[in-house]
Amino acid sequence: AQRVTQPEKLLSVFKGAPVELKCNYSYSGSPELFWYVQYSRQRLQLLLRHISRESIKGFTADLNKGETSFHLKKPFAQEEDSAMYYCALSASTYKYIFGTGTRLKVLA
Amino acid sequence: GAGVSQSPSNKVTEKGKDVELRCDPISGHTALYWYRQRLGQGLEFLIYFQGNSAPDKSGLPSDRFSAERTGESVSTLTIQRTQQEDSAVYLCASSLATGGGGYYNEQFFGPGTRLTVL
Repeated sequence: AQRVTQPEKLLSVFKGAPVELKCNYSYSGSPELFWYVQYSRQRLQLLLRHISRESIKGFTADLNKGETSFHLKKPFAQEEDSAMYYCALSASTYKYIFGTGTRLKVLA
Repeated sequence: GAGVSQSPSNKVTEKGKDVELRCDPISGHTALYWYRQRLGQGLEFLIYFQGNSAPDKSGLPSDRFSAERTGESVSTLTIQRTQQEDSAVYLCASSLATGGGGYYNEQFFGPGTRLTVL
């Protein structure tokens, strides 16, 4: 079955500390993985996608097919990173499967 | 417009009533998606439109749910005979197109409609 798992509902870190938001997936084909973010009182928006191999707002994510993971990382957390983060898998050209999300709180 | 819009933002209804949720996608976006997000859960795919055609309705939870789209514009999600388990935030998203060859277009989300069934 196609599934995206985000094991942590809440992750609290201090400002300046490293952050890793975990995402594991189950998919038989070649996955396309994404991270979406929702800041307080804002809409859900794309943060990054694995095929672009990009770093956005200091965040990176590497697709590890062996471990079926796509963890989101940032070396030094900022208070403005506090938000809800969703990992998503594209199971076809249009169908996305989202995880349950992880709320990141960056403490001053 | 500035982005995807949805109306109403909040809807409270009584069990058994019908509701209509509206989505206005970004102009020029051919693809439109509906999702449901129950409290504490992830986004659940409901239906996808390419133009006004819905090639995949497999995510609709029951025959009480239906959706239509006018051209490449407004879409309406209708829930008939609402039940308490229908209470959720309903999100709409649009994208310029659906890509192929390993590239998938970014989805732009609306603010959502919070539906509460009493």
